[in-house]
Amino acid sequence: AQSVTQPDIHITVSEGASLELRCNYSYGATPYLFWYVQSPGQGLQLLLKYFSGDTLVQGIKGFEAEFKRSQSSFNLRKPSVHWSDAAEYFCAVGAAGGGNKLTFGTGTQLKVEL
Amino acid sequence: DGGITQSPKYLFRKEGQNVTLSCEQNLNHDAMYWYRQDPGQGLRLIYYSQIVNDFQKGDIAEGYSVSREKKESFPLTVTSAQKNPTAFYLCASSIGLGGNTEAFFGQGTRLTVV
Repeated sequence: AQSVTQPDIHITVSEGASLELRCNYSYGATPYLFWYVQSPGQGLQLLLKYFSGDTLVQGIKGFEAEFKRSQSSFNLRKPSVHWSDAAEYFCAVGAAGGGNKLTFGTGTQLKVEL
Repeated sequence: DGGITQSPKYLFRKEGQNVTLSCEQNLNHDAMYWYRQDPGQGLRLIYYSQIVNDFQKGDIAEGYSVSREKKESFPLTVTSAQKNPTAFYLCASSIGLGGNTEAFFGQGTRLTVV
């Protein structure tokens, strides 16, 4: 069974600073990886996804993530954070072979200081 | 606009009562899901359905029931057997069951037991 670990529960960054949110996964084969963002009291919105190919993927809102097989990681990055990026971020892994039971991490709450 | 509609946004339930949360999608997606979200625990899968008249238990199905009589609709009933029902409930859909398909989420229903 797959699993996802987001080691940082809360992160605070200053507006304009760079951001990296960590995500480690456990899965026996090549995983399908996702990052979602959730604003308070809202549903989840897909930021980006990795299925295969180029290990650096670009997403919406200026976010990118890099798949590193050797480290079982899929960290989310943004070069310059905006105050509107404050939200909760979830990493998720999907299993190949059917049964799209996405497994989510516990989330990282991002606070942006002005 | 295509999307997923959950209603109501807020729901209050007395102990011992069953309540039903609505989820409707007009994305023509085959697969639908219900997740429960609690602070610090991420999203946990309650039930999912791949096609009409078929559904499967997720990781925390006890105390919940679902139906899938129409492709567009996947209502969730929280029964009196669910001992701790206060949570944020998210409905999602995807084109099919497969780890590489994006899940689209509704805006959620916050259920509170009073």
